[in-house]
Amino acid sequence: AQSVTQLGSHVSVSEGALVLLRCNYSSSVPPYLFWYVQYPNQGLQLLLKYTSAATLVKGINGFEAEFKKSETSFHLTKPSAHMSDAAEYFCVRMDSSYKLIFGSGTRLLVRP
Amino acid sequence: DAMVIQNPRYQVTQFGKPVTLSCSQTLNHNVMYWYQQKSSQAPKLLFHYYDKDFNNEADTPDNFQSRRPNTSFCFLDIRSPGLGDAAMYLCATRSHLQGFFYEQYFGPGTRLTVT
Repeated sequence: AQSVTQLGSHVSVSEGALVLLRCNYSSSVPPYLFWYVQYPNQGLQLLLKYTSAATLVKGINGFEAEFKKSETSFHLTKPSAHMSDAAEYFCVRMDSSYKLIFGSGTRLLVRP
Repeated sequence: DAMVIQNPRYQVTQFGKPVTLSCSQTLNHNVMYWYQQKSSQAPKLLFHYYDKDFNNEADTPDNFQSRRPNTSFCFLDIRSPGLGDAAMYLCATRSHLQGFFYEQYFGPGTRLTVT
């Protein structure tokens, strides 16, 4: 079955430090992959998407992700964390019927 | 700005009292989704519409119904809310057109409390 695995339900970083949120997918074919962010009591906002055009994908708010087929990974990074980055992050893939398959989410905490 | 709107943002209902949540969109997308998201969990798809075609997920309880009177609006009806139905309900839309890369656009959600 197609799945998405996010390593670490909580990640804590200091303000200004590197953010790394891990995501691995299982798939026999190149997937459509997304990272969504959810702020408290809000809907989901698309950060970035992988559609096979480029392996390094740049998104909003300074985030980027690199698609590595050999590692079946799509980790999300940001060079310098801001307090406003504190939120829940979901790695998501789209299945063959265009439905979203969500990872379990990673809550990012940013310490002052 | 084109967007997905959900009303109300917060809804309180009593155990067993029917409640309706609404979603509207100005994106003119033909696909609309309803998700249920419980605390500290990922969203769970309840059903979706492809134009007027209704598609129910196999594990969605019969207590949940939906209506889509036109392209812009979609409603989620909970016929007899139980305490376990307290959650955030998210509406999302998607365009079927090539080149839109199939991403879904989410509304801000309605947080339902059942007393």
